Amino acid sequence: LAKTTQPISMDSYEGQEVNITCSHNNIATNDYITWYQQFPSQGPRFIIQGYKTKVTNEVASLFIPADRKSSTLSLPRVSLSDTAVYYCLSPEYNQGGKLIFGQGTELSVKP
Amino acid sequence: GAVVSQHPSRVICKSGTSVKIECRSLDFQATTMFWYRQFPKQSLMLMATSNEGSKATYEQGVEKDKFLINHASLTLSTLTVTSAHPEDSSFYICSARVVEGGQPQHFGDGTRLSIL
Repeated sequence: LAKTTQPISMDSYEGQEVNITCSHNNIATNDYITWYQQFPSQGPRFIIQGYKTKVTNEVASLFIPADRKSSTLSLPRVSLSDTAVYYCLSPEYNQGGKLIFGQGTELSVKP
Repeated sequence: GAVVSQHPSRVICKSGTSVKIECRSLDFQATTMFWYRQFPKQSLMLMATSNEGSKATYEQGVEKDKFLINHASLTLSTLTVTSAHPEDSSFYICSARVVEGGQPQHFGDGTRLSIL
């Protein structure tokens, strides 16, 4: 079973900031939180990874509170091309780092 | 950044044919690669973990004799779907993990397998 849960779908409009929250009540002390983006008929693409507090790169920010029971992916000023499925994951490092995918969040960006 | 190449991108073949899919890590060594299957409108389902120089570890419910995995080098893993049938039609995706701990997995672009 996936260690994370997230909303099945979200709608947004171009130019808005989108925040997708992921719950992971039972992650282990040394687990990272990793987010991927997937377009239809393509493999998932790595977006961002973090352990605690805030991580920012050129495409997104990741906020992880001190209790690490949840995390929020923030996409600034989304465009139509950000319409995709977003997955929140935590690698199983005691099993070779495998990823167990949940349903993901289907983000639809409208003009 | 790390690149994973998957080949072929699409296969259409007759029932009973065996199909081989290759997964290569182009600019890094991967002691561990993973194989996933994805049906339309569903999430990725992990099939097996491919370990360089040893036998693959299959997830529960995945037939190891049906889905043969070989990881002969640090940059190549192959998945062979033996005697494929229409129900094996799916989107197969591989990923590779950089040897150093804490690094994220990188995925190939998938192989669309269609069995007629």
